[in-house]
Amino acid sequence: SQKIEQNSEALNIQEGKTATLTCNYTNYSPAYLQWYRQDPGRGPVFLLLIRENEKEKRKERLKVTFDTTLKQSLFHITASQPADSATYLCALDMMQGGKLIFGQGTELSVKP
Amino acid sequence: NAGVTQTPKFQVLKTGQSMTLQCAQDMNHEYMSWYRQDPGMGLRLIHYSVGAGITDQGEVPNGYNVSRSTTEDFPLRLLSAAPSQTSVYFCATAGTGGAGTDTQYFGPGTRLTVL
Repeated sequence: SQKIEQNSEALNIQEGKTATLTCNYTNYSPAYLQWYRQDPGRGPVFLLLIRENEKEKRKERLKVTFDTTLKQSLFHITASQPADSATYLCALDMMQGGKLIFGQGTELSVKP
Repeated sequence: NAGVTQTPKFQVLKTGQSMTLQCAQDMNHEYMSWYRQDPGMGLRLIHYSVGAGITDQGEVPNGYNVSRSTTEDFPLRLLSAAPSQTSVYFCATAGTGGAGTDTQYFGPGTRLTVL
């Protein structure tokens, strides 16, 4: 079955630096891959969706890449700010009538 | 627009009790789903529905029932609560493209403790 792995250890970076989070998966490449942000005590909030035929997607300070050869997606936050501190989740479309599976998330902490 | 609402926010049950977690949406979305979130485990799909009258199982369906009689509502029933069902439960919706192709909108969650 499809497995997803995200950095299990928290990522601590300095304000202004670029944060890079990793999402690796096994087996088949999904048609779509999504990234979400989750703050403590709240539901996840959608950030970006990238399709298998797209190498890169950008939205303001966010950039997502999708490498189907490496079976990996990278999520970058440039010029990071303390307000970017949260847990970031990747999610894959399982191509089974709309099932979406999530990684366990990576906690990002941006220090001023 | 309220978006996705979930009730209750918090619930404590005793082992063996049953209850229903409510989820309602006002976005006219066809796709609705229930997830549970446990520390270190991420979100795991319990059940989902691609439209009124249609439901299917996710990764961890045992001990839970769902039905979808209207587009707006997708209740999750715990038949006989067990301590292993202590978790935070999220309801989510997506448009006609389905979960993978569309943004999923999550509710605020229900924190359930089973003693």
